[in-house]
Amino acid sequence: EVQLLESGGNLVQTGESLRLSCAASGLRFSTYGMNWVRQAPGKGLEWVSAISGSGGRTNYADSVQGRFTISRDNSKNTLFLQMHSLRADDTAVYYCAGGFTVAGYFHFGMEVWGQGTTVTVSS
Amino acid sequence: DIQMTQSPSSVSASIGDRVTITCRASQGINSSLAWYQQKPGKAPKLLIYAASTLRSGVPSRFSGSGSGTDFTLTISSLQAEDFATFYCQQTNSFPITFGQGTRLEIK
Repeated sequence: EVQLLESGGNLVQTGESLRLSCAASGLRFSTYGMNWVRQAPGKGLEWVSAISGSGGRTNYADSVQGRFTISRDNSKNTLFLQMHSLRADDTAVYYCAGGFTVAGYFHFGMEVWGQGTTVTVSS
Repeated sequence: DIQMTQSPSSVSASIGDRVTITCRASQGINSSLAWYQQKPGKAPKLLIYAASTLRSGVPSRFSGSGSGTDFTLTISSLQAEDFATFYCQQTNSFPITFGQGTRLEIK
């Protein structure tokens, strides 16, 4: 069974840091491009960041550029999101989501999703 | 950034109805569009990719069409389990962007 399991969400103060993890099983992890997608309470989906299967290519939303870093450890089938300088508007459920890419783009969509981990940033 | 605009924002329909949701991109995205279904408290599920390709295992009552800037998701005959929020997503270029969502409610 293909599964993504996020962890690391917590209640933190404004300006603090947090690292999220996403453990993958049941799939050839290194062949999947991976993303972080977040959803603020009662709001829609917001793409945060993506990383290629090899880890050599990364992309970020403007709202997190310079504060968040996406990475992966293919030997451990794990995706990470290091978050610094957290703000109240970073409060959300964070999902990891994976899919096959073509020339670095998710033309087949994001077919695998985790259940989400909650990040709450309090001022 | 490419803006994705869905309409309507919400729709009420009955079991057996045909429902169409539209998604418009602020610039051309070829066929790089996906549709997701999300139920409360759950992760999104991929329904359609490349604008019109039904993901394996998704019921055939779901269909997608369009290219360029205008896209549609159609549910041919609503079932009870279809009531949820639907999102379009463009993957033609980074940053990836989602529509604001369409909430499908029971009439």
